[in-house]
Amino acid sequence: DQQVKQNSPSLSVQEGRISILNCDYTNSMFDYFLWYKKYPAEGPTFLISISSIKDKNEDGRFTVFLNKSAKHLSLHIVPSQPGDSAVYFCAASKGNAGNMLTFGGGTRLMVKP
Amino acid sequence: DVKVTQSSRYLVKRTGEKVFLECVQDMDHENMFWYRQDPGLGLRLIYFSYDVKMKEKGDIPEGYSVSREKKERFSLILESASTNQTSMYLCASSGGGTYQETQYFGPGTRLLVL
Repeated sequence: DQQVKQNSPSLSVQEGRISILNCDYTNSMFDYFLWYKKYPAEGPTFLISISSIKDKNEDGRFTVFLNKSAKHLSLHIVPSQPGDSAVYFCAASKGNAGNMLTFGGGTRLMVKP
Repeated sequence: DVKVTQSSRYLVKRTGEKVFLECVQDMDHENMFWYRQDPGLGLRLIYFSYDVKMKEKGDIPEGYSVSREKKERFSLILESASTNQTSMYLCASSGGGTYQETQYFGPGTRLLVL
């Protein structure tokens, strides 16, 4: 049973518009959430994170929103650029579980010029 | 810059063969991880290690073993490869500080078992 789910396997967006990637989780013990980005033939790279004590974290064009009551987080990319085309993974961890991460299935984002 | 390297980018093996996947990190990280990535399933944790000679099972350890004899090196072993172990294998490492340490990934090894 997947504890972290990304229900959209793919998303297509026009360059310059907003990309919104969604992630849902079921385990209320998760208290730290991360987004990773993966290009083909490369390993995932860390993008942005958020602690459960916050509901928003922003880093340049990337913003992550956390809704704890809904067990939902989203990644907003504004404006989207063709170089953002990649697979995005949502991940979660629990404070008492060291560095273990539980990943979602990923969403492939395609940004069209 | 953190660097995590994996011994092979592509491997083709036959069913029943013993397979070794090597991972080396150069940042003196305490923690190292092995994942496999399959379409629609994301990354699933096979094993991790938080110190030399220490190992912990992840979510899908069956059919795999690991070895960590030195801090910088973490090996994944498929004792008898099977076709359902065809996958992309990713190694990662992170520091041993707070639990919110970022994991850094290697480029992956795509393994095909025939």
